[in-house]
Amino acid sequence: ILNVEQSPQSLHVQEGDSTNFTCSFPSSNFYALHWYRWETAKSPEALFVMTLNGDEKKKGRISATLNTKEGYSYLYIKGSQPEDSATYLCALNDYKLSFGAGTTVTVRA
Amino acid sequence: NAGVTQTPKFQVLKTGQSMTLQCAQDMNHNSMYWYRQDPGMGLRLIYYSASEGTTDKGEVPNGYNVSRLNKREFSLRLESAAPSQTSVYFCASSEVVGDGYTFGSGTRLTVV
Repeated sequence: ILNVEQSPQSLHVQEGDSTNFTCSFPSSNFYALHWYRWETAKSPEALFVMTLNGDEKKKGRISATLNTKEGYSYLYIKGSQPEDSATYLCALNDYKLSFGAGTTVTVRA
Repeated sequence: NAGVTQTPKFQVLKTGQSMTLQCAQDMNHNSMYWYRQDPGMGLRLIYYSASEGTTDKGEVPNGYNVSRLNKREFSLRLESAAPSQTSVYFCASSEVVGDGYTFGSGTRLTVV
C-alpha cells in the first residue's frame, strides 16, 4: 500500500476564483497517478490518469500536473463554479489503487 | 449502459449475522476491486481480483472473503458482521491494471 497525502483537507472558494491543491507521495514506484472527482451521494468518477514526469492533463476548466521527481501532483480549477463542489481524490496505481483521503472543495456563489 | 452494479444499496445487520454484497460489471473488464470508505480515512482496499480466477488481499481484508464468480461478478462476504464493519462499500472495475476505475454506487452497511 502506497502512502498518499492530500492537502489541504478542505477548502472554500468564491465562485469565479481559481484554486489548486496537492497530492504528494514519497516514492515514484508506481505505474500511474489517478485523479477522481467524488460528488456527495454519488460514486467517484475518473478525471485523469497520468504516468510520466511532466505529464499535464486538462478537462474543461480542470487540469493536473505530475512531478514524479519531487513527489507531487497538482490539480487546478480555473474560474470555480458551484458545480465544481466535490471531493477530489488522488490515487497511486501499483497494480491496485491506494487513495489519499481527498480534498473537499466547496464553491460559494 | 449499467457499468458497475452493486446490490443492495442499504443494509442493516445485527452483530454476528452474515451477508454477501454483490457486484457485477458489464464492460468486460478484467480487474475488480472492493473498497470501504470511512470518514476521514478515504477509500481502503479490502480485496481485489486482477483477473478471472484470481483474488488477493488488500489493505484491510480481515473479516471478509471474496469470490470472483466469473468475469462479470465479484462478491464480498461478511461471515460474522461486527460493528467495526459499519461503512460504505464500493466495488470498482478496470479494463487492465493501470487504467482508470469505474465505481459502483456503493452499499451503505450498518452493523448494530
